[in-house]
Amino acid sequence: NAGVTQTPKFRVLKTGQSMTLLCAQDMNHEYMYWYRQDPGMGLRLIHYSVGEGTTAKGEVPDGYNVSRLKKQNFLLGLESAAPSQTSVYFCASSYRRLAGGTRLDNEQFFGPGTRLTVL
Amino acid sequence: GNSVTQMEGPVTLSEEAFLTINCTYTATGYPSLFWYVQYPGEGLQLLLKATKADDKGSNKGFEATYRKETTSFHLEKGSVQVSDSAVYFCAWGSGGYQKVTFGIGTKLQVIP
Repeated sequence: NAGVTQTPKFRVLKTGQSMTLLCAQDMNHEYMYWYRQDPGMGLRLIHYSVGEGTTAKGEVPDGYNVSRLKKQNFLLGLESAAPSQTSVYFCASSYRRLAGGTRLDNEQFFGPGTRLTVL
Repeated sequence: GNSVTQMEGPVTLSEEAFLTINCTYTATGYPSLFWYVQYPGEGLQLLLKATKADDKGSNKGFEATYRKETTSFHLEKGSVQVSDSAVYFCAWGSGGYQKVTFGIGTKLQVIP
C-alpha cells in the first residue's frame, strides 16, 4: 500500500495564478483532510471531507476550495494564489470512528506534504 | 475554546538524556490523545496514543499517560538518540467527524 500520496511535492506560483493539489489514499478511509503548516502556528485545518461527495470548512478555509468526487481522492484548489498562502500543505485520511470508539480512534495518516511558494 | 498547549522549543538535549515534552489540553468530553512525530522533510506519523483516562501510550521507548485530572499528556523518553531529532506534535480528537486539534509542535534536537 502506498498510504497517502500528494502531488506535486513542490510548486512555485505567481500571485493570481491557480493550481490544484491532489491527495490520494489507498486505505479505503472515509475521512480526508487538508492542513497547512506554518512556523509557530502548527497545523491548521483548511477543509475536510467525511465521505465521497461531501466537504466541510475547517479552521482556515478562505481562499481555498476542495472536491471529493471519488472516495480515494481529495483535491485542494487555489483559484487566485496570494503570498499569504505560501506554506506546506499536508493531506491526511482516517477511518470513521465507530459509536463507542475503536476503528483506530481518530488516528490520521499523513501524506509527505507539498511545499508551495507564492511570489 | 478547544486547544492544545505545548512548548515550541527547540529543546536541545545530549544523547542519552531524559526527555519530557509537556502537553496540556482544553477539551470537552473524553477526547482521544495523540503524539505525532515529524522527521525532517516528511509528513506527520503517529507515535503513540491513549483513548481514555489513565491509559498509557508507548512506542519506540516513548511514553505518555492520559491524565484527565490535570488535562495533560506529557511525552517522556528515558534515553534519547540523535535519530529522535524531529518535531513532536501533541493532539486530541473527538466527535463524529474526527477532527483533530494539534499543538504548535516542539522541535527536539539531540546532539551526540
